[in-house]
Amino acid sequence: GAVVSQHPSRVICKSGTSVKIECRSLDFQATTMFWYRQFPKQSLMLMATSNEGSKATYEQGVEKDKFLINHASLTLSTLTVTSAHPEDSSFYICSAPDRDLSEQYFGPGTRLTVT
Amino acid sequence: AQSVTQPDIHITVSEGASLELRCNYSYGATPYLFWYVQSPGQGLQLLLKYFSGDTLVQGIKGFEAEFKRSQSSFNLRKPSVHWSDAAEYFCAVGEDDMRFGAGTRLTVKP
Repeated sequence: GAVVSQHPSRVICKSGTSVKIECRSLDFQATTMFWYRQFPKQSLMLMATSNEGSKATYEQGVEKDKFLINHASLTLSTLTVTSAHPEDSSFYICSAPDRDLSEQYFGPGTRLTVT
Repeated sequence: AQSVTQPDIHITVSEGASLELRCNYSYGATPYLFWYVQSPGQGLQLLLKYFSGDTLVQGIKGFEAEFKRSQSSFNLRKPSVHWSDAAEYFCAVGEDDMRFGAGTRLTVKP
């Protein structure tokens, strides 16, 4: 079946630095990808919808200048956390539907820790 | 390692009929369990969650789920399905590193 990968799986960075997380669809093309974050003991929160070749759509309350999303190709979307702070520490998951939107595939997640 | 299994890839029910979507999990401790629904082209929407306490959890849109530790299950139920319930449903487990089942697609017949 289709697979979505994320890289890195874990990253630790210092406060004030930027971190890029990649989400790849490995054997299908994804014109849309979703980015979520999960705080400990909480459900997922949708951050933004990434659209290939156009600007991402951010959910209310998500800072688009802080969480930069780029969907430059049909198999890759990136989330860059800029000027990271400890409160950005979280588990970030991407997902991608296949072309006819009939199936949704989730990445394994990225654990970000900001020290 | 935690994991989730949704045995049914696709389920078809008639409008007005009852629904049960199965979910089995593997988790070392008391699990944090979730059910999400996703319509085509949309992000996930949380239906309900279980962290502790009463094992029968009520959610939005008339859904409920029951946590059964002995069976490692967290099945989603609805007594009477509406056409608008047609969507894909995901079971998930995880306190802070969420893992998803493969999803169950629900089709509702008129």
